[in-house]
Amino acid sequence: EVQLLESGGGLVQPGGSQRLSCAASGFTFSNYAMNWVRQAPGKGLEWVSGISGNGGSTYSADSVKGRFTISRDNSKNTLYLQMNSLRAEDTAIYFCAKDFNSNYPFDHWGQGTLVTVSS
Amino acid sequence: QSVLTQPPSASGTPGQRVTISCSGSSSNMGRNNVHWYQQVPGTAPNLLIYSSSQRPSGVPDRFSGSKSGTSASLAISGLQSEDEADYYCAVWDDSLNGWVFGGGTKLTVL
Repeated sequence: EVQLLESGGGLVQPGGSQRLSCAASGFTFSNYAMNWVRQAPGKGLEWVSGISGNGGSTYSADSVKGRFTISRDNSKNTLYLQMNSLRAEDTAIYFCAKDFNSNYPFDHWGQGTLVTVSS
Repeated sequence: QSVLTQPPSASGTPGQRVTISCSGSSSNMGRNNVHWYQQVPGTAPNLLIYSSSQRPSGVPDRFSGSKSGTSASLAISGLQSEDEADYYCAVWDDSLNGWVFGGGTKLTVL
């Protein structure tokens, strides 16, 4: 059974940094692209960043380019999101989501971790 | 403002058929498949339709999807109370080089 478990959320001050993790199990992690998708309180879904199975290709939304970095450690079956220069508008639940392939995206999701950016 | 346009709300009575639209542009919907997600408030989203019209195993055949040009639709037939949720469309955008979601449609079962 595929399981994705996010961690690392919490309260952070504007301008601060936070690193999120997503521990994966139940599938061969290195074979699949992974993503981060966020949802601000009471709002819709927003794709944040994606990474290929071997980590060689990464993609990010314009709203986080230059501030957030996605990475993965296939030896630890773990996906990361390093978030720097955080803003109030980054407050959201952050979900990690697995791709089966490019025509079958976000086929499994974690339960999410809440990041609150506030002073 | 979302790149993909969905109606903010939809409703129907049990047993009815409802449709939810998703409108995009040539750089996303015009070139790529659309995918649909169901999210019950307070829970993670769940893949409902992939590649515009395919259902993952376990998704009832009451749910169907279609795409034509730069627009797509999700249809739910035989509406049930458990279908009350938020529904999102998503497409890869070749110009943005990233995924884009619709703003979501809140479905109410009356």
